[in-house]
Amino acid sequence: GAVVSQHPSWVICKSGTSVKIECRSLDFQATTMFWYRQFPKQSLMLMATSNEGSKATYEQGVEKDKFLINHASLTLSTLTVTSAHPEDSSFYICSARQQANSPLHFGNGTRLTVT
Amino acid sequence: DAKTTQPNSMESNEEEPVHLPCNHSTISGTDYIHWYRQLPSQGPEYVIHGLTSNVNNRMASLAIAEDRKSSTLILHRATLRDAAVYYCIPLRNQFYFGTGTSLTVIP
Repeated sequence: GAVVSQHPSWVICKSGTSVKIECRSLDFQATTMFWYRQFPKQSLMLMATSNEGSKATYEQGVEKDKFLINHASLTLSTLTVTSAHPEDSSFYICSARQQANSPLHFGNGTRLTVT
Repeated sequence: DAKTTQPNSMESNEEEPVHLPCNHSTISGTDYIHWYRQLPSQGPEYVIHGLTSNVNNRMASLAIAEDRKSSTLILHRATLRDAAVYYCIPLRNQFYFGTGTSLTVIP
């Protein structure tokens, strides 16, 4: 089955630093990748949609200059949390799909803790 | 976008079947119904999807009402590993997750 690898699985960083999270589709080419954030006891919140080779589309209320998304190839998308603050601590999850009607396949998430 | 309604929580005894309902009364005629589940501290996992006919795979069965305004995910024999939050999502809206149903499996 389709596999999405997300790295790192957890990271602790100091306030003010930047953190990069990678999302790779291992056995398929992902035309579209999605980034979500999930706070404890809540559902997934879509942050942005990225298509290979083009700029990401951010959801309302998500700061594009703070959450930088790069989708440089059909198998890799990265999310960089810039100048992280404690309120950015969350569970970040990526997903990918092969084509418009395909199911989504998710990474295992990255637990970010900002101290 | 089609909206969905699911019960917040359900319980099942281990080894028994579980029927997880979902209402999607505003779904359009071409939207597939997708189901995902999320185990604690993991990313969601694709379970099954369908359009009009009932669907089966190794994980579950999906029963879709004739008018397509509702569907039911069926786990034929619940195990402890099936304890998760289950999300029902119409294709067009499958980027947006509702609150889902938290399934508790009782040993």
